[in-house]
Amino acid sequence: DVKVTQSSRYLVKRTGEKVFLECVQDMDHENMFWYRQDPGLGLRLIYFSYDVKMKEKGDIPEGYSVSREKKERFSLILESASTNQTSMYLCASSGGTVIGETQYFGPGTRLLVL
Amino acid sequence: DQQVKQNSPSLSVQEGRISILNCDYTNSMFDYFLWYKKYPAEGPTFLISISSIKDKNEDGRFTVFLNKSAKHLSLHIVPSQPGDSAVYFCAASADRGSTLGRLYFGRGTQLTVWP
Repeated sequence: DVKVTQSSRYLVKRTGEKVFLECVQDMDHENMFWYRQDPGLGLRLIYFSYDVKMKEKGDIPEGYSVSREKKERFSLILESASTNQTSMYLCASSGGTVIGETQYFGPGTRLLVL
Repeated sequence: DQQVKQNSPSLSVQEGRISILNCDYTNSMFDYFLWYKKYPAEGPTFLISISSIKDKNEDGRFTVFLNKSAKHLSLHIVPSQPGDSAVYFCAASADRGSTLGRLYFGRGTQLTVWP
C-alpha cells in the first residue's frame, strides 16, 4: 500500500518566515509533486520532480522553491511566507513514466500565514 | 488557461439516485483521464480512470464515460450514497513533451448526497 506522509497537518507561521514542508513516500516512486488547493481553484501544481536533484516548475512556482536530495523525500520551501500563501498544500508521488501513472497523495498540510 | 474544466462547482443528489459529474478538456493530446475524490482535511484519493482507447470503464458503482470527439467525460455514481459526499476532481494526462506523467486537474465539483 502506497504511503505518502507530510511532516505537519497544520502549521501557523508569520509573514516573512522561511517555511519548510516535508513529504516522504515509501514506494520508491520516481515522480513527486507539490500542489496547493484553494476553494474554487482546484489543485494547482507548484513544482514537480522526476528524479533526485531534478526539479521542474509547475503553474505557480513564484515564491516557492523545492529540494530533492533523496528519492523518497521532496521538500517545499516558502522563502519568505506571505499571507497569500495561506492554503492547503498537497504532496503526491507516482511510480514512473507509464502514461497517466496514478498519483498518490499525502494527507495535506494546512498552512496559515499571519 | 484551464485545460480541464469542471463547470459545475456543486451537485446535490438524493440517496439512491444517480450522480453525474461532468468534465470537459481542451487539449487533444490528453489520452488518459482520472477521477479523484477528496474529503475535507484529507488528500485526494484515486477513484477510477479511463484510457482514450476506451469509451467506458466501470468499477462497481462508478462508471466513467469518455466522448473524445466532444472532449468530454463524465462520472456516474449509481446508486449514490451519503458517504459519496465529497469533492470530485477530474484530471488528464498527455503522453508527449517533457511533462510526461504530469496531471492537469479541474477545479472540482462538490457532491452532496442527502438521505
